[in-house]
Amino acid sequence: NAGVMQNPRHLVRRRGQEARLRCSPMKGHSHVYWYRQLPEEGLKFMVYLQKENIIDESGMPKERFSAEFPKEGPSILRIQQVVRGDSAAYFCASTETKAGGYTFGSGTRLTVV
Amino acid sequence: DQQVKQNSPSLSVQEGRISILNCDYTNSMFDYFLWYKKYPAEGPTFLISISSIKDKNEDGRFTVFLNKSAKHLSLHIVPSQPGDSAVYFCARISNFGNEKLTFGTGTRLTIIP
Repeated sequence: NAGVMQNPRHLVRRRGQEARLRCSPMKGHSHVYWYRQLPEEGLKFMVYLQKENIIDESGMPKERFSAEFPKEGPSILRIQQVVRGDSAAYFCASTETKAGGYTFGSGTRLTVV
Repeated sequence: DQQVKQNSPSLSVQEGRISILNCDYTNSMFDYFLWYKKYPAEGPTFLISISSIKDKNEDGRFTVFLNKSAKHLSLHIVPSQPGDSAVYFCARISNFGNEKLTFGTGTRLTIIP
């Protein structure tokens, strides 16, 4: 049973381009969370999704950021028109139940040049 | 606003000695507190947790203590081993709600052989 898979591991984008980060949760896990870690900081909650539903997006910037978790396929975190301040490590975590233990992926390191 | 704070960004400990990592929190009612360990270029991995109704939880070399009057928790690692060198994050999660984690900023532990 593979863990939480995130790809790509590293992503370089020029300012103004779009970044797409993918997260495949553990098999059987239907709850997905995205966190962002800026340099020298802790992980900050962005969004919580279940299949086809956004449950809580209170940590997500109102503009340029969106997330989805379709019925089939991975969860996608999309950042439009990236800026230098978006450079960070983005981690996805999944759980089986609402109160289940988290399993984190290895993250996607986004660098905006 | 519920927060967790780790005031020591780094800690160095001799191999075989005890490592003590500290965390302060605000406004807890029915939370769980967790410790995560993170190696470079990897996602956080769960170490140990404690319910806010308990004072202590132990798992092998790892013990977490909760001082509710001081709103303080600590992670003790004894004996410390070179493989313990990593960044340690304390985190909290509500007993109810959408189960998002709130992380501290982390403490980088270095075990000196």
